Amino acid sequence: KQEVTQIPAALSVPEGENLVLNCSFTDSAIYNLQWFRQDPGKGLTSLLLIQSSQREQTSGRLNASLDKSSGRSTLYIAASQPGDSATYLCAVRKTSYDKVIFGPGTSLSVIP
Amino acid sequence: DAGVTQSPTHLIKTRGQHVTLRCSPISGHKSVSWYQQVLGQGPQFIFQYYEKEERGRGNFPDRFSARQFPNYSSELNVNALLLGDSALYLCASSLGPGGSYEQYFGPGTRLTVT
Repeated sequence: KQEVTQIPAALSVPEGENLVLNCSFTDSAIYNLQWFRQDPGKGLTSLLLIQSSQREQTSGRLNASLDKSSGRSTLYIAASQPGDSATYLCAVRKTSYDKVIFGPGTSLSVIP
Repeated sequence: DAGVTQSPTHLIKTRGQHVTLRCSPISGHKSVSWYQQVLGQGPQFIFQYYEKEERGRGNFPDRFSARQFPNYSSELNVNALLLGDSALYLCASSLGPGGSYEQYFGPGTRLTVT
């Protein structure tokens, strides 16, 4: 059974810092991995989608890497801003038609 | 273009009652998925519908049911509500059912069962 964990559960950093969020999954046989952002009480916004054949994806100040063999993904946020404050969730899919399994999320607070 | 819309935004129900949540997908999207998110946890998959047919079901009791209409909108129904059903219910739409299609999430419906 696939399990997804995220460490740390919460993180507080000063504005301008570079930071790394971690996601681990127990079954390395995945189809893809996706990072989402969720603002309090709101829906999810997709940030980056990494297919199993890819090692990383970049969008602006965000970079996500995938190491299937170790069951890990990292989300790197450069030059953090207060507007980055949100909960970040990773999610994996075993096959194209399997359900998506989410981690519990990391709550990020960027202090001005 | 309008994103995924959900109604109502908030809902308060009593134990034992029934509730219907609604979702309208992005125009052109034919697949709708439903998720339950309990406070402090990640979303859990409930159902996926594509072209009005159920394509996937998560580990939820039979009290949970859903359907998709010809215009691709969807309803999630929950019978005999329990306190533990209190959660944010999220709907996501995509062009197709597979993982190659990106999911776009709505703002959710906050259900409180008292």
